[in-house]
Amino acid sequence: DAGVTQSPTHLIKTRGQQVTLRCSPKSGHDTVSWYQQALGQGPQFIFQYYEEEERQRGNFPDRFSGHQFPNYSSELNVNALLLGDSALYLCASSPRGTAGTYSSYEQYFGPGTRLTVT
Amino acid sequence: AQSVTQLGSHVSVSEGALVLLRCNYSSSVPPYLFWYVQYPNQGLQLLLKYTSAATLVKGINGFEAEFKKSETSFHLTKPSAHMSDAAEYFCAVSGGGNQFYFGTGTSLTVIP
Repeated sequence: DAGVTQSPTHLIKTRGQQVTLRCSPKSGHDTVSWYQQALGQGPQFIFQYYEEEERQRGNFPDRFSGHQFPNYSSELNVNALLLGDSALYLCASSPRGTAGTYSSYEQYFGPGTRLTVT
Repeated sequence: AQSVTQLGSHVSVSEGALVLLRCNYSSSVPPYLFWYVQYPNQGLQLLLKYTSAATLVKGINGFEAEFKKSETSFHLTKPSAHMSDAAEYFCAVSGGGNQFYFGTGTSLTVIP
């Protein structure tokens, strides 16, 4: 059973460019969350997708957007990249039925995409 | 609102010594609490979770944590550190809608 997968592994972009990161959730999971982890910090919640819609959003600007496909995979898009967007971007998935709930289900994390903005 | 605070950004222990990583939480509802470990250049792996079934929770790799409501704490312990335990450890609390709030992490160094 494949866990959460993310692509690409590493990415280098220039300020002002746009980037798309991809995530496939664990089998049996339909909810995908994205986190940004800056160097030396804990992951910060960006947003969560369920049934192809953004359900929750953290304190991130509109430059951060996403999409979820019918097969539950997801994309994170960042426009007008800033140096401060350099970070490890983590995708996490959780089981069917947990979206929008206050539950004890853990989130399963992918290995992340390391984005460097120069 | 939910949040966690991890005391001590860096902890060093000798191999074979007790590991104690501290986490205090703030939650407006009965909390669900988690400990994750992150090895260099990898994602997060769940060590254990508290779901209100038992206050002492046992996880993988010999780790355990005790939920203490009176102290709003969920400290992570391991009786005897191993070199392979060197990693970054994150405490997290589940918010509404299964959104996770993470602490800033504790880097564990194991000295041979």
